[in-house]
Amino acid sequence: ILNVEQSPQSLHVQEGDSTNFTCSFPSSNFYALHWYRWETAKSPEALFVMTLNGDEKKKGRISATLNTKEGYSYLYIKGSQPEDSATYLCAHQANFGNEKLTFGTGTRLTIIP
Amino acid sequence: GAVVSQHPSRVICKSGTSVKIECRSLDFQATTMFWYRQFPKQSLMLMATSNEGSKATYEQGVEKDKFLINHASLTLSTLTVTSAHPEDSSFYICSAGSSNQPQHFGDGTRLSIL
Repeated sequence: ILNVEQSPQSLHVQEGDSTNFTCSFPSSNFYALHWYRWETAKSPEALFVMTLNGDEKKKGRISATLNTKEGYSYLYIKGSQPEDSATYLCAHQANFGNEKLTFGTGTRLTIIP
Repeated sequence: GAVVSQHPSRVICKSGTSVKIECRSLDFQATTMFWYRQFPKQSLMLMATSNEGSKATYEQGVEKDKFLINHASLTLSTLTVTSAHPEDSSFYICSAGSSNQPQHFGDGTRLSIL
């Protein structure tokens, strides 16, 4: 059974501050790491898919890094805004061509105005 | 706009009722769709992989006779919770996508069995 863990479970951040959180996953049997943002009453929205060790991806104020050798990924949010409040999920994809994902429990981020 | 539509969003019904949940890909064909279940404060747990034109692949511990999956067309997969009981109350969500691309999720179905 794959163990994908995220920390912290929840986080309160003042508007304007930057923050980051972690996803750890088994470094063996790895193809890709996915990040999703899940706002309340909406469907999860894909943020990034990363496959290569050292990958860094950026989307506006959000960026992510990947270390496949040690099995972790960081998600960074710069200058947090209230609309960033959501649960951020990471998911491990073990094989190319198999879209089956194993999800972490998520980090629930609340931005305090 | 949404690329995966899931219906219904909320179901409340009596114990013993069978409940069907639909997952549609709106502007692409999906040979594979995924069904997840989420318990409170837990992660999305994959229940089964729905394969168009063939039997679904169930994860360990998921009863195939309890959770019937049908994927009769390239745009529709259905999950039927048969003879639902209170312990089946949960949040169910589907996803679909192209190979090695991010999955698109439905909005989920909150199932409450009284």
